[in-house]
Amino acid sequence: EVQLVESGGGLVQPGGSLRLSCAASGFTFSSYEMNWVRQAPGKGLEWVSYISSSGSTIYYADSVKGRFTISRDNAKNSLYLQMNSLRAEDTAVYYCARAPRGYSGQADYWGQGTLVTVSS
Amino acid sequence: EIVMTQSPATLSVSPGERATLSCRASQSVSSNLAWYQQKPGQAPRLLIYGASTRATGIPARFSGSGSGTEFTLTISSLQSEDFAVYYCQQYNNWPPGTFGPGTKVDIK
Repeated sequence: EVQLVESGGGLVQPGGSLRLSCAASGFTFSSYEMNWVRQAPGKGLEWVSYISSSGSTIYYADSVKGRFTISRDNAKNSLYLQMNSLRAEDTAVYYCARAPRGYSGQADYWGQGTLVTVSS
Repeated sequence: EIVMTQSPATLSVSPGERATLSCRASQSVSSNLAWYQQKPGQAPRLLIYGASTRATGIPARFSGSGSGTEFTLTISSLQSEDFAVYYCQQYNNWPPGTFGPGTKVDIK
């Protein structure tokens, strides 16, 4: 069974940093591209970042470019999102999501999400 | 960036009735369109990809159609577990894979 479990969320002050993790199991993690998608409270879904299976190709939404860094450790079956210079508008539930083979922009499995709150 | 719109914002339907949800893209996305279902407090779930292909384990009462800029998700006979928010997402011009604002299907 495919499982994605996020962790690392919490309350952080504006300008602060946080590192999210996503532990993957039930599939060959190193063979799949991965995404981070977020959802502000009561709002819709926003794609945040993508990383290829090897980590060689990375994309970011304009809203987080230069502040967030996506990475992965295939030996540890883990995906990460380093978030710096956090703003109030980054407050959201952050989901890690697997992209199905050949469909980089989709997400066929999602974690349960981790809440990031940016507030003083 | 392609902008996705969905209508209606809220759809009130009685159990057993048919529900038709619409999604429109600001420019053609071919058939590179997915639908997701999200229930309160849960992560989204992939329902449809390629505009009309059901994802693994999705019941046959869910069907998708359309191409280009106009798409439809149809739930043939609503079950109690189908009351949720539904999002469309284009992945033709990616990144970013833009989502629509969602349609909430609630009980009439």
